[in-house]
Amino acid sequence: KQEVTQIPAALSVPEGENLVLNCSFTDSAIYNLQWFRQDPGKGLTSLLLIQSSQREQTSGRLNASLDKSSGRSTLYIAASQPGDSATYLCAVRSDISSGSARQLTFGSGTQLTVLP
Amino acid sequence: AAGVIQSPRHLIKEKRETATLKCYPIPRHDTVYWYQQGPGQDPQFLISFYEKMQSDKGSIPDRFSAQQFSDYHSELNMSSLELGDSALYFCASSLPGIGNTIYFGEGSWLTVV
Repeated sequence: KQEVTQIPAALSVPEGENLVLNCSFTDSAIYNLQWFRQDPGKGLTSLLLIQSSQREQTSGRLNASLDKSSGRSTLYIAASQPGDSATYLCAVRSDISSGSARQLTFGSGTQLTVLP
Repeated sequence: AAGVIQSPRHLIKEKRETATLKCYPIPRHDTVYWYQQGPGQDPQFLISFYEKMQSDKGSIPDRFSAQQFSDYHSELNMSSLELGDSALYFCASSLPGIGNTIYFGEGSWLTVV
């Protein structure tokens, strides 16, 4: 059974810092990995999707990397801003051979606070 | 751009009552997913539909049922509600093919009292 872990659980940084959020998964047979942002009491906003054949994806100040063989992904946020404060979740979609390719398995998230 | 629409956004029910949540996927998305997120927890997969057929089943209680209709909207029916069913229920949708981004709605808050 796929398990996804995110470290740290919470992170507080001053505005302007670059930061890295970590995600690890136990079963490397994944189809893709998706990073989401969740504001308190709100829905999940998709940030980046990385296919298993890709090493990284970039969108603005965000860069996500994937090392499938080691079961790790990182989300790099450059020049952080107070508006980046939210919970960041990673979710993996297992390979079709696992029988559960149509669902996402989520990590518990990293709660990020960017201080002005 | 159109997003996943969920209704109602908030719902308060008493124990043993029944609740129905509705989900309208992004146009042309034929795959719908339901997730449950309890307080302080990560989203847990309940069930998914592809082309109006159930495609995957997760930790959905037997008291819950769901279906996808001909217009691709989906409904999650929850009966004999328990206090532990209080959670944020997300619907998500995607284009055909498992390599596509999954887009989530804003969620429906269910409170069981």
